[in-house]
Amino acid sequence: EVQLVESGGDLVRPGGSLRLSCAASGFTVSSKYMSWVRQAPGKGLEWVSIIYTGGSLYYADSVEARFTISRDNSKNTLYLQMNSLRPEDTAVYYCAGGDTDYYFDSWGQGTLVTVSS
Amino acid sequence: EIVLTQSPGTLSLSPGERATLSCRASQNVNSAYLAWYQQKPGQAPRLLIYGASRRATGIPDKFSGSGSGTDFTLTINRLEPEDFAMYYCQQFGSTPRFTFGPGTKVDVK
Repeated sequence: EVQLVESGGDLVRPGGSLRLSCAASGFTVSSKYMSWVRQAPGKGLEWVSIIYTGGSLYYADSVEARFTISRDNSKNTLYLQMNSLRPEDTAVYYCAGGDTDYYFDSWGQGTLVTVSS
Repeated sequence: EIVLTQSPGTLSLSPGERATLSCRASQNVNSAYLAWYQQKPGQAPRLLIYGASRRATGIPDKFSGSGSGTDFTLTINRLEPEDFAMYYCQQFGSTPRFTFGPGTKVDVK
């Protein structure tokens, strides 16, 4: 069974950093197109970043140069390093995977990041 | 950037009725790149439809998708209590790679 479990969400001050993790089971993270998608409180879904099976990386303009997506194949885990955090980064962050890069067929339960002083 | 608009914002229906949700794109979208998701409060989204009309694994045939170009539709037949939720369309493009519509809430009339 495919399972994704996020962790690392916390309360952090503006300008701070945080690293989110997404532990995968039932498949290898390197075999799927893995993304981070976030949802601000009471708002819709916003794609954040994707790492392709071949290693290519893409980011939303809103996080470019501040966030870094990566994976550790030995730990079968996806990461999101978030630097220079802003209040508008406050959201539930979901990791999501797909057998193609067109859509997301597997989702974790999400982890809450709150950026506030 | 392709912008997705969903209508209506809220759809109030009774169990047993049919729901018709619209997703309109600001530019043509390749049908292969259009998906629909269901999200219930406190839960992660769930893939319902991909490729505009293909049901994801385990999705009952009461859910169907259609459309092409700039106009896409999600239809839910015979609404059951567990179908009352938020629904998002999503497209894959170049920059940004993915965009979502603002969502349609299907609630109980």
